[in-house]
Amino acid sequence: NAGVTQTPKFQVLKTGQSMTLQCAQDMNHEYMSWYRQDPGMGLRLIHYSVGAGITDQGEVPNGYNVSRSTTEDFPLRLLSAAPSQTSVYFCASRTVGFGGYTFGSGTRLTVV
Amino acid sequence: GQQVMQIPQYQHVQEGEDFTTYCNSSTTLSNIQWYKQRPGGHPVFLIQLVKSGEVKKQKRLTFQFGEAKKNSSLHITATQTTDVGTYFCAGSNSGYALNFGKGTSLLVTP
Repeated sequence: NAGVTQTPKFQVLKTGQSMTLQCAQDMNHEYMSWYRQDPGMGLRLIHYSVGAGITDQGEVPNGYNVSRSTTEDFPLRLLSAAPSQTSVYFCASRTVGFGGYTFGSGTRLTVV
Repeated sequence: GQQVMQIPQYQHVQEGEDFTTYCNSSTTLSNIQWYKQRPGGHPVFLIQLVKSGEVKKQKRLTFQFGEAKKNSSLHITATQTTDVGTYFCAGSNSGYALNFGKGTSLLVTP
């Protein structure tokens, strides 16, 4: 039981490049979310999903796309990277109903 | 939209002193959760509060949910160096999206 696995752990992109941050969970959790963490800003919700085929926007969705084709995977796509997207990205999952999120170990992204 | 505000932003205590962080929401919450993040780590779930006026304890940690379900607090009695980290509250009024406060960073000096 690996929990929530995020890849890569570190990434450097040039402005304008695109990439996909991978997130996979093996706990059969229905809910999955992507957060970004910037100094002094806490964790801000980017996108979330309540099940396969269902996604919705969070607080800061611009510049990011998501899809949820399976229960296990919830990739985050950066369409055209900008320096403002330099951040630490966390993926998290939890089961239906009330309960805490299990977080992945994060992806540290730098856009130059 | 829903906003969750947390104070203080930083707290520096001597080991053995108590510590409290406060969380306030602009809207009524269905539940509130607390997380701890160690430096360089990821957030780890501590507890969830659901009922109005609820109080829960975990060893030296006491969590409270306000009567109006718009505020919450975390109190640590007799801090230890292992308590160092950032404590986040996170609220939801839909049961789906969880919105985090900016966190309180706790530094404990031996």
